Amino acid sequence: QVQLLQSGDEVKKPGASVRVSCKATGYTFSSYGISWVRQAPGQGLEWMGWISPYSGNTNYAELLQGRVTMTTDTSTNTAYMELRSLRSDDTAVYYCARGPYYYDSHGYYRAGMGSDYWGQGTLVTVSS
Amino acid sequence: EIVLTQSPGTLSLSPGERATLSCRASQSVSNSYLAWYQQKPGQAPRLLYGASSRATGIPDRFSGSGSGTDFTLTISRLEPEDFAVYYCHLYGSSPPWTFGQGTKVEIK
Repeated sequence: QVQLLQSGDEVKKPGASVRVSCKATGYTFSSYGISWVRQAPGQGLEWMGWISPYSGNTNYAELLQGRVTMTTDTSTNTAYMELRSLRSDDTAVYYCARGPYYYDSHGYYRAGMGSDYWGQGTLVTVSS
Repeated sequence: EIVLTQSPGTLSLSPGERATLSCRASQSVSNSYLAWYQQKPGQAPRLLYGASSRATGIPDRFSGSGSGTDFTLTISRLEPEDFAVYYCHLYGSSPPWTFGQGTKVEIK
């Protein structure tokens, strides 16, 4: 079955960097994009960006441009999200999710229904 | 950037009642897709509906509709497990892919 397993919770000081991993199992990793979404305590969902494991193409939220890097390792079916220059307002639960774009059996790039599988979330706390 | 505005912020209803949740885009999203997610406390979001289709395993009491700038998620008869927060999400060929601020459906 499809699973996304994220790395453990982190505590970081302001100005530091954090890297969250997301290991995918149960499907062809390179066929589906990976989205990253975060949620500050008591707040709504915030889209951070998306990466295609197949092409390496990325799209980042404008507010995070320059501080975030998303990568994938197709040899281990793992996606990574690195956020630098951490601030207190980066404290949040970070989620990876499969989709919403994927490559179909003919190699065409298509939009699915949305992000259908999610990781369990990684709490990143930024505090001095 | 297209902004999604959800209303109402909170919907207080009883089990068995019908819930109608709105998601309005700041401009037409005709070249994009609109998805709906449900989130319960301490859990990851769950895909309910997207690209005009119900996600796998989602009961048929959930339905989505709309086009252009106005979209609706309807829960025909609320079950106890449906009380949660619901988010709409825009995705398509032109990022950013934004979320609405959420609608909380609470027990009256």
